[in-house]
Amino acid sequence: DTEVTQTPKHLVMGMTNKKSLKCEQHMGHRAMYWYKQKAKKPPELMFVYSYEKLSINESVPSRFSPECPNSSLLNLHLHALQPEDSALYLCASSRTDRGNYGYTFGSGTRLTVV
Amino acid sequence: SQQGEEDPQALSIQEGENATMNCSYKTSINNLQWYRQNSGRGLVHLILIRSNEREKHSGRLRVTLDTSKKSSSLLITASRAADTASYFCATWRGPMNRDDKIIFGKGTRLHILP
Repeated sequence: DTEVTQTPKHLVMGMTNKKSLKCEQHMGHRAMYWYKQKAKKPPELMFVYSYEKLSINESVPSRFSPECPNSSLLNLHLHALQPEDSALYLCASSRTDRGNYGYTFGSGTRLTVV
Repeated sequence: SQQGEEDPQALSIQEGENATMNCSYKTSINNLQWYRQNSGRGLVHLILIRSNEREKHSGRLRVTLDTSKKSSSLLITASRAADTASYFCATWRGPMNRDDKIIFGKGTRLHILP
């Protein structure tokens, strides 16, 4: 299995809702990432988990809360989001948290906050 | 700060022609990676070239790296409609840097005309 699976593919949520994005990989990769991408822009790193521990938090607002239940799963919990948080959220994984291997990306979750 | 800058920002060519995209970066790197992103989808890793390599091939793709000029190019030969996508370069500075993550450039939007 050489894929990163993200669910859901699309999500519309109100500003008072709580929702979660899920990401799963079975490649034995030990690093997992959350990126946010706006239209016609490059992906922006949000969080890095290395060996199931949070290693990088790029000063992301607390309304985004990551969780890594095990080495195959990564969640992003969303609460009290703003319309400007609407974006494509991408999960990725790599063999290690070093950049010496390419990243495998999921297809993303298209999030719309209304 | 943004490490990679792709050039051109957008490129339209006829099917069958070759497409060349360039990436320039500012600091020394350990490796440079190229990714493709179809509209609204996840990124796909294409090629990783290390700082001690000058050229790599993968199918119709050819990547060069000139560390003296801090630049890389991606050549797609005999382009096809399916090559229509955004292409991003990403750089990794290496394990001795505190900023231990890959940094994406702004991307080149490639459109293959029928």
